[in-house]
Amino acid sequence: QVQLQESGPGLVKASETLSLTCIASGSSISSHHWSWIRQAPGKGLEWIGYIYYSGSTNYNPSLKSRVTISVDTSKNQFSLKLSSVSAADTAMYYCARGGLGATAGLFDLWGQGTLVTVSS
Amino acid sequence: DIVLTQSPDSLAVSLGERATINCRSSQSVLSSSTNKNYLAWYQQNPGQPPKLLIYWASTRASGVPDRFSGSGSGTDFTLTISSLQAEDVAVYSCQQYYTTPWTFGQGTKVEIK
Repeated sequence: QVQLQESGPGLVKASETLSLTCIASGSSISSHHWSWIRQAPGKGLEWIGYIYYSGSTNYNPSLKSRVTISVDTSKNQFSLKLSSVSAADTAMYYCARGGLGATAGLFDLWGQGTLVTVSS
Repeated sequence: DIVLTQSPDSLAVSLGERATINCRSSQSVLSSSTNKNYLAWYQQNPGQPPKLLIYWASTRASGVPDRFSGSGSGTDFTLTISSLQAEDVAVYSCQQYYTTPWTFGQGTKVEIK
């Protein structure tokens, strides 16, 4: 069974860097596009960015200056770093699998999500 | 960015009745080269991640009951639940994957009347 599982600190201090990891089980990360998506409390979903197993990335311009997504194919995982966080970054963070080519942004598999709270 | 606006924000429907959710895009998500609409619908039950329901505006994802259907083209889309079941209580979101940044609608909450 294919699964994604996010992990990382649930509490991050303002101005510091949020770091999350997503491990894929049952599916090789050496295919598909792999995205991070977040959802602030009571809000809609916001796509943060993706990485392809080759290492190519694409970030949402609204977060681009603060986001880094990396991949470790040997561990079948990919990671998110979001720097200089503020209360506005408090959200449920999901990792998700996108397709190939034209369906890179079509998310057919999601992790359960991890809640990250930014404290002052 | 492509802005997706859903209506209504919430609706209450009796069991067995039809539920209709609309999604309007600020620009067309219809590709002239493929003649496909890059529009998906997701269902999010409380405390759960989103689940893909519909893609290419009208294609049901694997395992999705046929009471769920999608329609529309260009900038106007609709998700219809033909006969609402108790397990359909959820938030439904549309999403465009036509161009980055990929964007989502604000979500529509469906409840039982």
